[in-house]
Amino acid sequence: SQKIEQNSEALNIQEGKTATLTCNYTNYSPAYLQWYRQDPGRGPVFLLLIRENEKEKRKERLKVTFDTTLKQSLFHITASQPADSATYLCALDYGGFKTIFGAGTRLFVKA
Amino acid sequence: DGGITQSPKYLFRKEGQNVTLSCEQNLNHDAMYWYRQDPGQGLRLIYYSQIVNDFQKGDIAEGYSVSREKKESFPLTVTSAQKNPTAFYLCASQVTDNTEAFFGQGTRLTVV
Repeated sequence: SQKIEQNSEALNIQEGKTATLTCNYTNYSPAYLQWYRQDPGRGPVFLLLIRENEKEKRKERLKVTFDTTLKQSLFHITASQPADSATYLCALDYGGFKTIFGAGTRLFVKA
Repeated sequence: DGGITQSPKYLFRKEGQNVTLSCEQNLNHDAMYWYRQDPGQGLRLIYYSQIVNDFQKGDIAEGYSVSREKKESFPLTVTSAQKNPTAFYLCASQVTDNTEAFFGQGTRLTVV
C-alpha cells in the first residue's frame, strides 16, 4: 500500500532562518501533492498545491519542490517567524477523491 | 463568509451510545469528506460523497454511517459498533478532486 513519511520529530529553528520540511512517499507518484498547515485543536488549512509535471511552486515566503524521481517533496519557509510554528501536513492526491495525508511535522520557530 | 462548519467542538459519548457530528458548508462544493485524526497518524478517510444522495466508504468506515440529503450537509454518525471512537474528527469539502480541500474546525469526541 502507498506510504507517506514526514519527519516525526519536531523541527526547531531560530527566527529568520529557513525551515525545510520533508515528505517522502513510496510506490507511484501522485498527480498532485499538497501542503497544509494545522494549528493545535483546529482543522488543516491549505497552503500550496504542486502538480507532478511542476518542479517548484512559490507563494510569498513558501516554496515547494516535487521530485518524482526521488519520490520526495520539500517544503521551505524562508525568513521564518514564531507565527509559523504549527504542524505541516503533506498530502498525496491521486485523483478519484483519494488523498493520502502524512502524519505531519511539528515546526517550532524561536524568537 | 463562505466556509465549512462543524459542531459541536467537543462531544462526549457513553458506552453503547450513537452520536452524530454535524458538518455544513456554504461553499457550493460537490465533494465532502469525513476524516479521523489520531495522535501521530495521518488523517484517515472514513466516508466521502461526490454528490447529493451518494456516498462511498473510505479506509475505516466500520462503525460509522453518513447521509447526504442536501448538498450543504454531510452528518457523520458514530455508532456503538465503533469500539475506539475517541479521536479528532474533521470534515472537509472540495469543488472536485485534485483541488484544495477546505476543512472545518473539527470535533473532538471522547468516550466516557
